Amino acid sequence: KQEVTQIPAALSVPEGENLVLNCSFTDSAIYNLQWFRQDPGKGLTSLLLIQSSQREQTSGRLNASLDKSSGRSTLYIAASQPGDSATYLCAVRRNDMRFGAGTRLTVKP
Amino acid sequence: SQTIHQWPATLVQPVGSPLSLECTVEGTSNPNLYWYRQAAGRGLQLLFYSVGIGQISSEVPQNLSASRPQDRQFILSSKKLLLSDSGFYLCAWSLAVKNTEAFFGQGTRLTVV
Repeated sequence: KQEVTQIPAALSVPEGENLVLNCSFTDSAIYNLQWFRQDPGKGLTSLLLIQSSQREQTSGRLNASLDKSSGRSTLYIAASQPGDSATYLCAVRRNDMRFGAGTRLTVKP
Repeated sequence: SQTIHQWPATLVQPVGSPLSLECTVEGTSNPNLYWYRQAAGRGLQLLFYSVGIGQISSEVPQNLSASRPQDRQFILSSKKLLLSDSGFYLCAWSLAVKNTEAFFGQGTRLTVV
């Protein structure tokens, strides 16, 4: 059974800092990996999708990488802003879709 | 465009009462459908997923069940709620094609009292 782990569990940084969130998974036979953002009490918003054949995807200040063979993905956030404060979740998909526990990010003004 | 509807947004139910949460998707056909539960401060636990009408895979044996009576309708049910069923329930859909995004509804906050 696929296990997904995210570290750190929580992260607090000053505004403007670059940061990296980590996601690891135990079974490399995935279709894709997706990063989401969740604001308190809300549903999930999709940030980036990386297909299993891809190495990275970029959207604005976000860059996600995927090393499927080693079961790892990173989400890089450049020039962090207070509005980036949220919980970030990664999910790996085959027929099902399994999530890590998330990283709670706080960006201080 | 595709949209996902999930209701109700909040629900307070007594222990032992039944539950029915509904999720519908518009603008697509034959989607994969998912139910998740998120306990306070925790990650998402996969409860059920479905790749077609009448095809339900259960992840966690418990007093919840799911049904897919129509192609774009996914229902989460319980005959008798427990206190431990409290949580944030999220429905999601994706295309059956492998390399596509998944999209989530806004969730139902269930409190069992």
